Amino acid sequence: EAQVTQNPRYLITVTGKKLTVTCSQNMNHEYMSWYRQDPGLGLRQIYYSMNVEVTDKGDVPEGYKVSRKEKRNFPLILESPSPNQTSLYFCATGGGDLPQHFGDGTRLSIL
Amino acid sequence: KNEVEQSPQNLTAQEGEFITINCSYSVGISALHWLQQHPGGGIVSLFMLSSGKKKHGRLIATINIQEKHSSLHITASHPRDSAVYICAVSFVDMRFGAGTRLTVKP
Repeated sequence: EAQVTQNPRYLITVTGKKLTVTCSQNMNHEYMSWYRQDPGLGLRQIYYSMNVEVTDKGDVPEGYKVSRKEKRNFPLILESPSPNQTSLYFCATGGGDLPQHFGDGTRLSIL
Repeated sequence: KNEVEQSPQNLTAQEGEFITINCSYSVGISALHWLQQHPGGGIVSLFMLSSGKKKHGRLIATINIQEKHSSLHITASHPRDSAVYICAVSFVDMRFGAGTRLTVKP
């Protein structure tokens, strides 16, 4: 079964405490993305990766880092989280000219 | 002006009605995606189109590349179709419409 797995699903943390949201896929897809979803703003792309060691900024990359050391994993790193990064985050494969598969989402609250 | 515009923003229908959601875009694309998000947050890809028309069950999606316009149709709507429908366009990156909140009443 095609799966995109994000962890954690929920996280409450404090300003400045580094965190990582993991994302793993079992479809051998080259293209992976991170999105955030905010009320009134919809989905916005944070970073995407077209292949191993190839990453690029989306619409809202400030305050985030990503890495793509292997095809299946695409972690999202918040080095110094701030309250304006409180959001619902989705990892997905596909995009470009491929259908997308989304993870279940990570609800992140930064106090 | 957003690069991807959806209409309507909200739509309420009675069960059985034919529904149309529209999406217009202003950028060059390689494909257009229709997504569905139910309350509770999970997102499912319904269609990916680069030309013409696709059908899956009661859902039909069309795209007119020259006019930069796509429509999502739901025939014989049902309360379980109640969700937010999101149009997205892709070239290298992804751009999203604001979504259409559909409520189908029994």
